[in-house]
Amino acid sequence: NAGVTQTPKFRVLKTGQSMTLLCAQDMNHEYMYWYRQDPGMGLRLIHYSVGEGTTAKGEVPDGYNVSRLKKQNFLLGLESAAPSQTSVYFCASSYSGTGGLYEQYFGPGTRLTVT
Amino acid sequence: LAKTTQPISMDSYEGQEVNITCSHNNIATNDYITWYQQFPSQGPRFIIQGYKTKVTNEVASLFIPADRKSSTLSLPRVSLSDTAVYYCLVGNYGQNFVFGPGTRLSVLP
Repeated sequence: NAGVTQTPKFRVLKTGQSMTLLCAQDMNHEYMYWYRQDPGMGLRLIHYSVGEGTTAKGEVPDGYNVSRLKKQNFLLGLESAAPSQTSVYFCASSYSGTGGLYEQYFGPGTRLTVT
Repeated sequence: LAKTTQPISMDSYEGQEVNITCSHNNIATNDYITWYQQFPSQGPRFIIQGYKTKVTNEVASLFIPADRKSSTLSLPRVSLSDTAVYYCLVGNYGQNFVFGPGTRLSVLP
């Protein structure tokens, strides 16, 4: 199993450009998440999805959109990139159920620079 | 979600036991305590989760006192490869993960 994969690994954008980050998981997980991590900081949740066709806002959703058309894929879009969106983006997935915080499996990250 | 407080950084030497304590004074009855590890340029990785008393796996132990207002992650005999950031999270089913700044552990030779 590949686990959680992210495409691309690195990207440089100019202010105002758009792009889509792709996350794929092969563990049949219901839940998927997008986080950003700025230097020296913890992860902040951008958007998440509890199932195919459903998405919800996290802590820092402004400037981002997401889609979950297939269970295994979760896309993160930046419509008009800004320098403040320079960060490392992590995708994660987890099972659903009851009891405790579900163990999340993280991808390797996408390093995005907006100039 | 319960707010957590951890030391910003810790230093240790190879072969020592390391204990990282997390404070979570407003933990709710149904909340669990979970620890993640993050190496540079990688996503976090689950280490251990517990509700009360003690939990042990092949990597670490988690000690939770009766009042559950704090917890301690114990790493036995650390090596250089244990140098990482360790996050303490508190919450339950249906909630989202909140990663604070974590504890940066440096293991020295």
